[in-house]
Amino acid sequence: GQQLNQSPQSMFIQEGEDVSMNCTSSSIFNTWLWYKQEPGEGPVLLIALYKAGELTSNGRLTAQFGITRKDSFLNISASIPSDVGIYFCAGAFNQGGKLIFGQGTELSVKP
Amino acid sequence: DTGVSQDPRHKITKRGQNVTFRCDPISEHNRLYWYRQTLGQGPEFLTYFQNEAQLEKSRLLSDRFSAERPKGSFSTLEIQRTEQGDSAMYLCASSRGGQDGYGYTFGSGTRLTVV
Repeated sequence: GQQLNQSPQSMFIQEGEDVSMNCTSSSIFNTWLWYKQEPGEGPVLLIALYKAGELTSNGRLTAQFGITRKDSFLNISASIPSDVGIYFCAGAFNQGGKLIFGQGTELSVKP
Repeated sequence: DTGVSQDPRHKITKRGQNVTFRCDPISEHNRLYWYRQTLGQGPEFLTYFQNEAQLEKSRLLSDRFSAERPKGSFSTLEIQRTEQGDSAMYLCASSRGGQDGYGYTFGSGTRLTVV
């Protein structure tokens, strides 16, 4: 099925470092979402973006909805060990309900 | 509000058998979604309901798959004549719909292994 291009696939960082990951699509989306998934669990919503150019923060997390509506990025500042997990971007074309997910970015944080 | 509940958490079945999964959404959510996730991939959309109406089905949902939400509350996903390629995590999510409808709440999933 169709998926977004998410990069990087994995990251190994030191505690305290900042992290940046992004998603691109050949299609225009009206909504971008960022989720975190831990082993054996379902994805948990981190940030939702509804307008092109929108910049939204949730604690140490910041995400932006690209102006072209074809991309989004997620930044994590001052990473901590509990940030470990797989981060997914997801886009939606309209309010029809279907989300298209990226392949995920696996984050490892070394204390 | 106890979140989205899925049952069972794990299911091992022999090829050719039928399996059924259940999802109980957050009670005030009118939309319910099914996704499938294989190892190393993001979730892939299967189908979704608004109340009891099934509004969209993915091409991934072959004739062997059927989903129901008979009273607009819980939903079931049945796979008939399971194949090894059906092995995956099946995720259910629910939402209120509307502008914040994409803030889906996901359940913990049902992991299916077909042997």
